[in-house]
Amino acid sequence: EVQLLESGGGLVQPGGSLRLSCAASGFTFSSYAMSWVRQAPGKGLEWVSAISGSGGSTYYADSVKGRFTISRDNSKNTLYLQMNSLRAEDTAVYYCAKDGTPAAKWKPGWVFDYWGQGTLVTVSS
Amino acid sequence: QSALTQPASVSGSPGQSITISCTGTSSDVGGYNYVSWYQQHPGKAPKLMIYDVSNRPSGVSNRFSGSKSGNTASLTISGLQAEDEADYYCSSYTSSSTQVFGGGTKLTVL
Repeated sequence: EVQLLESGGGLVQPGGSLRLSCAASGFTFSSYAMSWVRQAPGKGLEWVSAISGSGGSTYYADSVKGRFTISRDNSKNTLYLQMNSLRAEDTAVYYCAKDGTPAAKWKPGWVFDYWGQGTLVTVSS
Repeated sequence: QSALTQPASVSGSPGQSITISCTGTSSDVGGYNYVSWYQQHPGKAPKLMIYDVSNRPSGVSNRFSGSKSGNTASLTISGLQAEDEADYYCSSYTSSSTQVFGGGTKLTVL
């Protein structure tokens, strides 16, 4: 059974930093790209970032480029999101999501076939 | 990276069919057959319902179907059931090597 468990959320002041983690189990972690998707309170979904299975390729939304860094440790089956220079508009539930396409069958884009339950990040003074 | 355009809300009675549209541009929806749809119940994580425009993952009811014409993708739900009441989001790959979601549509089953 695929499981994704996010952690690391909390309250942080504007300009501060936070690192989110997502522990994965139930599948061959290194064979799948992973993404972070966020949802501001009462708002819609927003794709934040993605990383290839090997970790060699990373992708970012314009809204976080230069401030957030996605990474993964395939030996620990864990995905990370380092968030710096946080702003009030970054307040959201952050979900990690697994891509449905194995690396061996790569195609453009990401299909989010499994999601974690999310971790809440609140940026406020 | 503008969000894809979805109607804010749609409604239907049990047993009826409804369609949710998702309009983008030639740089996203119209340029690729990589549109997916997600269902989200309140307080829950999203669930994949359709991928690559019209494919259903294992376990998703065949009452859910997807299609695309030009820059607009559509999700159709037939035989509406009370448990279909939820928010629905479309998503597409873009020419900028990013992913974009629609603003979401709230489905009410009357």
